[in-house]
Amino acid sequence: DGGITQSPKYLFRKEGQNVTLSCEQNLNHDAMYWYRQDPGQGLRLIYYSQIVNDFQKGDIAEGYSVSREKKESFPLTVTSAQKNPTAFYLCASSARRQVGEKLFFGSGTQLSVL
Amino acid sequence: KNEVEQSPQNLTAQEGEFITINCSYSVGISALHWLQQHPGGGIVSLFMLSSGKKKHGRLIATINIQEKHSSLHITASHPRDSAVYICAVSPGGSQGNLIFGKGTKLSVKP
Repeated sequence: DGGITQSPKYLFRKEGQNVTLSCEQNLNHDAMYWYRQDPGQGLRLIYYSQIVNDFQKGDIAEGYSVSREKKESFPLTVTSAQKNPTAFYLCASSARRQVGEKLFFGSGTQLSVL
Repeated sequence: KNEVEQSPQNLTAQEGEFITINCSYSVGISALHWLQQHPGGGIVSLFMLSSGKKKHGRLIATINIQEKHSSLHITASHPRDSAVYICAVSPGGSQGNLIFGKGTKLSVKP
C-alpha cells in the first residue's frame, strides 16, 4: 500500500542533543512537508520541499534542519538550538506544491525532552 | 485574532446524532481542506473544496465563499467518528502555506 511512514513513533532528546525524525513516502510525490503540532494550536509549517535537492523554510524553521537527497525521503533534524522541541511532528506529502493538491500525512512522531 | 477559527472546540454527541462543525476564516482563499486526526495522531484528508458542497458517505462539507465560512456535517454519527476535525485554508492567489485551525475534538458516545 502506498503511504507515508514516519519513525520512530516516540523519541526522547537529551539536553544539547540533535535528533533526526524519519519520513519516507512511496507515493512518488514531489512535495514533502514537516509540521509541528502543539496542544491547543494549529499545525505550523517547519520546512517544505518541492523537488529533490531543494527545500524552503516554513514559518518556524529556526532550530530545525532538513535534507532531500532522495525523492522518497525527507528527514527532519531537531538541533540543540531548538529550545522547546517537545511537540508532535507530522510529515506530509502532495503530488505537487500547488493549490488544490490533496495532502497525505504520516502517523506522526512525539518528541519529548528528558 | 486567528485567521482560521473553528467552533466548537469540543463536542460530545450521542450515537446517531447529526453533527455540525464550523470554520470561519478571514483571508481570501483558493481552497479549504477538512482533515480528520485520529486518536493515534495520524491525519486523513476528508475534503478539499473551493465552492459549493461535497459529500462522501455520511460526511458533507459546504463552503460559502462570500461569508468566508465552511461547515462539516456528519449524519448518523457513530463512535468511530470520534476524532479531531481540522479546517485548513490555502491563501488565495499564491502557493502560500496552508493556515490551520486549532481543531474540533468530537466524541461520540454509544
